[in-house]
Amino acid sequence: EAQVTQNPRYLITVTGKKLTVTCSQNMNHEYMSWYRQDPGLGLRQIYYSMNVEVTDKGDVPEGYKVSRKEKRNFPLILESPSPNQTSLYFCASEFSDTQYFGPGTRLTVL
Amino acid sequence: GQQLNQSPQSMFIQEGEDVSMNCTSSSIFNTWLWYKQDPGEGPVLLIALYKAGELTSNGRLTAQFGITRKDSFLNISASIPSDVGIYFCAGPVNSGGSNYKLTFGKGTLLTVNP
Repeated sequence: EAQVTQNPRYLITVTGKKLTVTCSQNMNHEYMSWYRQDPGLGLRQIYYSMNVEVTDKGDVPEGYKVSRKEKRNFPLILESPSPNQTSLYFCASEFSDTQYFGPGTRLTVL
Repeated sequence: GQQLNQSPQSMFIQEGEDVSMNCTSSSIFNTWLWYKQDPGEGPVLLIALYKAGELTSNGRLTAQFGITRKDSFLNISASIPSDVGIYFCAGPVNSGGSNYKLTFGKGTLLTVNP
């Protein structure tokens, strides 16, 4: 089954404790991206990747890092999380203008 | 960056009613996409539009690519309770060279009363 998986689905952490949210797709898509969704603000792109080892900033990249060492995985890294990064995060992979979204990761930073 | 203005922000309708929502931009888009997000899920693509003036249907959903290429409309006919969710418009924005990124509207929250 074609899918995008994210882990963990839910995470509660404390300020400053580094964390990684994993994302994996099994569709061999080159384009992947990360979004955060906040009430009243819709979906905002954090980072995207056009292919392996090619990443670029989206609209709200501050406080986040990504890596794309292999095509299927695109982890999102928060080196020092802060409360304003409490949000719902979605990973997506894309082919031919169609974005396939993961199930989301709800992150709470205390 | 380019912004998509989506309206209305929310709608409360009775089952069986038709629904219309729209998305506008100050810039031209070459592609318009409409997504639906069910509660607790990620967005799913409903309809993609690639040509100005194009009218495309997907079951009870119909979307149109505006002639000016600065707007798009989504209509849902004979709404049912499972239409509940957030509807997003989206379009690709060039971010330099051949790179692009997808920009989303803020969404329309649809509630359908049985």
